[in-house]
Amino acid sequence: QKEVEQDPGPLSVPEGAIVSLNCTYSNSAFQYFMWYRQYSRKGPELLMYTYSSGNKEDGRFTAQVDKSSKYISLFIRDSQPSDSATYLCAMSGASGTYKYIFGTGTRLKVLA
Amino acid sequence: DADVTQTPRNRITKTGKRIMLECSQTKGHDRMYWYRQDPGLGLRLIYYSFDVKDINKGEISDGYSVSRQAQAKFSLSLESAIPNQTALYFCATSDGPLGHEQFFGPGTRLTVL
Repeated sequence: QKEVEQDPGPLSVPEGAIVSLNCTYSNSAFQYFMWYRQYSRKGPELLMYTYSSGNKEDGRFTAQVDKSSKYISLFIRDSQPSDSATYLCAMSGASGTYKYIFGTGTRLKVLA
Repeated sequence: DADVTQTPRNRITKTGKRIMLECSQTKGHDRMYWYRQDPGLGLRLIYYSFDVKDINKGEISDGYSVSRQAQAKFSLSLESAIPNQTALYFCATSDGPLGHEQFFGPGTRLTVL
């Protein structure tokens, strides 16, 4: 079983839709939870990160972490064609423990 | 100018050839990483280095070696390339010890025939 599971998609939605992207994990030592966005032919870029449980909001993006269920989500409101990209979740252990694992990525296409 | 640069950006080589991928960064970060990305498998860590004298194997280090020539430079070598090493390779950096954002280069697309 992989430590981090992510549905590869592709996910196609109309412009303006709310998008929900999710990852599950098995390692309870993970403390930091990240979402990266990767455009075609580019390296991933950090979109949001959350420490431990809870929600974090940044503009149209909201990240949620539910440690009891080992489940994280990224919500995109009012999705735009420019949001079309691959979204990778990533998780890491606490300071002093090097473990930084990426999900396989979900490909999102927002249709104009 | 880009903070993390990789050379070459594209490379086609033949089975058995030695090849080196280079990474340079101007972010002043101590930590550097090499990943490969394959469809359906995501990003997998090959090697990582927390400073110039520290080199560690990642998840899939077999068939690869690295050299940390300076804080700003981290090279990945394939001693004898094989076709299943065809992939997209990324270099990344981060600030330690609690630097949880990784900054990625633009990638090198490597094809081994």
